[in-house]
Amino acid sequence: SQQGEEDPQALSIQEGENATMNCSYKTSINNLQWYRQNSGRGLVHLILIRSNEREKHSGRLRVTLDTSKKSSSLLITASRAADTASYFCATAGGYQKVTFGTGTKLQVIP
Amino acid sequence: KAGVTQTPRYLIKTRGQQVTLSCSPISGHRSVSWYQQTPGQGLQFLFEYFSETQRNKGNFPGRFSGRQFSNSRSEMNVSTLELGDSALYLCASSLEGVTPEAFFGQGTRLTVV
Repeated sequence: SQQGEEDPQALSIQEGENATMNCSYKTSINNLQWYRQNSGRGLVHLILIRSNEREKHSGRLRVTLDTSKKSSSLLITASRAADTASYFCATAGGYQKVTFGTGTKLQVIP
Repeated sequence: KAGVTQTPRYLIKTRGQQVTLSCSPISGHRSVSWYQQTPGQGLQFLFEYFSETQRNKGNFPGRFSGRQFSNSRSEMNVSTLELGDSALYLCASSLEGVTPEAFFGQGTRLTVV
């Protein structure tokens, strides 16, 4: 079963616009991670945010975490065509298995 | 530094057969996790190995098994293949186990016919 659910399931934007995707999860976590997957290939780790952090930045990525609402958001600023991919959130609590959300499919139109 | 290597990249098998997939983690990583990805079920956790011991297991039937060798390389085996086993199988390695970040291989695309 999926721990997290991403919203929206699909997102289509113009190059240069910002893209925001959300992730909700069910149980308490130690950290939350975001991954990118290009068309049926392996996942690439983007950013990790720990449960005691509220916001984190990495280049054009900004992640927020609200543990009271059990939700996280990923913002990609000034999107590029190369950002076209599926984005997944993944949660881990203690030494439990990492579980992935359902993913958001992002299309950036040049 | 070499990444996670999965072999083979593509595989076609017949129902009832068995298959073995291989994963070589990043040098120094002792944890290897396996995932199954299908359009209908998304990314599902299969199992995780750390220092040759299975530490976590997902909700898959006993036909799915794995092992890890002393050099941290891992294999997963699926016996009595079913059509529904067709999927992308992803392997991930990490330094400490399920936390922090995991590094994924390109996957093995298994098609069962």
